[in-house]
Formats: sequence, C-alpha cells, structure tokens
Amino acid sequence: NAGVMQNPRHLVRRRGQEARLRCSPMKGHSHVYWYRQLPEEGLKFMVYLQKENIIDESGMPKERFSAEFPKEGPSILRIQQVVRGDSAAYFCASSPQGTGSYEQYFGPGTRLTVT
Amino acid sequence: RKEVEQDPGPFNVPEGATVAFNCTYSNSASQSFFWYRQDCRKEPKLLMSVYSSGNEDGRFTAQLNRASQYISLLIRDSKLSDSATYLCVVNNQAGTALIFGKGTTLSVSS
Repeated sequence: NAGVMQNPRHLVRRRGQEARLRCSPMKGHSHVYWYRQLPEEGLKFMVYLQKENIIDESGMPKERFSAEFPKEGPSILRIQQVVRGDSAAYFCASSPQGTGSYEQYFGPGTRLTVT
Repeated sequence: RKEVEQDPGPFNVPEGATVAFNCTYSNSASQSFFWYRQDCRKEPKLLMSVYSSGNEDGRFTAQLNRASQYISLLIRDSKLSDSATYLCVVNNQAGTALIFGKGTTLSVSS
C-alpha cells in the first residue's frame, strides 16, 4: 500500500515565478492537509481539503497561495510570485476521515528553494 | 502562551538510558493527542496516539493529564536509532488540523 506521495521532492524557483506542489493521498484516504515547515521551525497547518472542497484554510497566507483537491488527480498547492520567505519544506498529509481522533500520515515533503 | 510547548533539548543520553519528554498545550478543547517523530530533513512519522488512560507500545509509554493539559513520552532502554526530534501534537478546536510543538531533540550515543 503506497504511502502519501509528493512531487517534486525538490523545487527551485526564482523570485516572481510560480511553484506547484502535488500530493496524492494514501489509498483509501479522502482528506488532505498541507503543512509548511520553515527552517528551524515547527510544522504549521495551512489548509485542509476534501475532494472538490476546501474545509479549513485558516493557515493559508491571504495572498499568492491557493490549494485544490479536484475530483480526479492529486491535490495541488500553488504559490504565485514566490519570494525568498517562501523557501521551506511543504508537507502533505492524509487521513481516512477528518481529523478528530484520526491520525494523519505524511508524505516525504517538497523542499522549495527560492533564489 | 504557545499552543503546544516542548523543551527543545537537546537531550544527550547513552544507550540504555530512560528519557522522558514533556509537553503542555493551551487549548482545553483539544481532543486528540499524538507523538510524532521526525528525523533530520524527513517527514514526521506517527509514533503513537495518546489516550487518557495512558498507553504503551514496546519501549514507549505515553501519558495524558487533561486537567493539567500535559502530555508525556517515556522512552526506556534507548537505542541509537531513537535519535530524532520528537514532536508533541494536538488537534485544534475545530478538529480540522494538527498543531505541532517545535519538538524535542534526542541524541543517543554509544
């Protein structure tokens, strides 16, 4: 049973470019979460999605960041006009049902470097 | 007050030692509690869920005190492979996200 898959694993973008991060949840999981880990910091929640719905985006920056989880295909985290401060590890997690007592399982992450 | 607070360490212990990590959380409405482990530059991996009655998995024991809003993790007979950062995690009030502590670093030496 494949775990959570993320790609690319490493992404380098120049300031002002767009970054697209992809996440495929574990088989049987319909809930996806995105977290960001800045250097030397803890993980911070960004957004929680189910298929075709954003359930909680309280952790998303107000500008330049968006997320989707279409009916078909992976979840996408999109960062427009990247800045150096966006350099971080972005982790996707999935769970079989919404977080309540359900554990979340994490993918290997995408390390974004903005030059 | 931070939502989840942990002693950052590092804890440097010899193989075979017993080590305890503590964590406090601020939101009394939190219902789910976990310990995750994160190796350098890797993803967090679930170590164990934490239940009110306390729970044990091999060399690992977790305790929860809801009244004090305090969570602990005890590792017995430490192995070199236990060297990692241990993350205390609770869910948010809405139950839609996990809130992570910054982690406690453990280094086990031979």
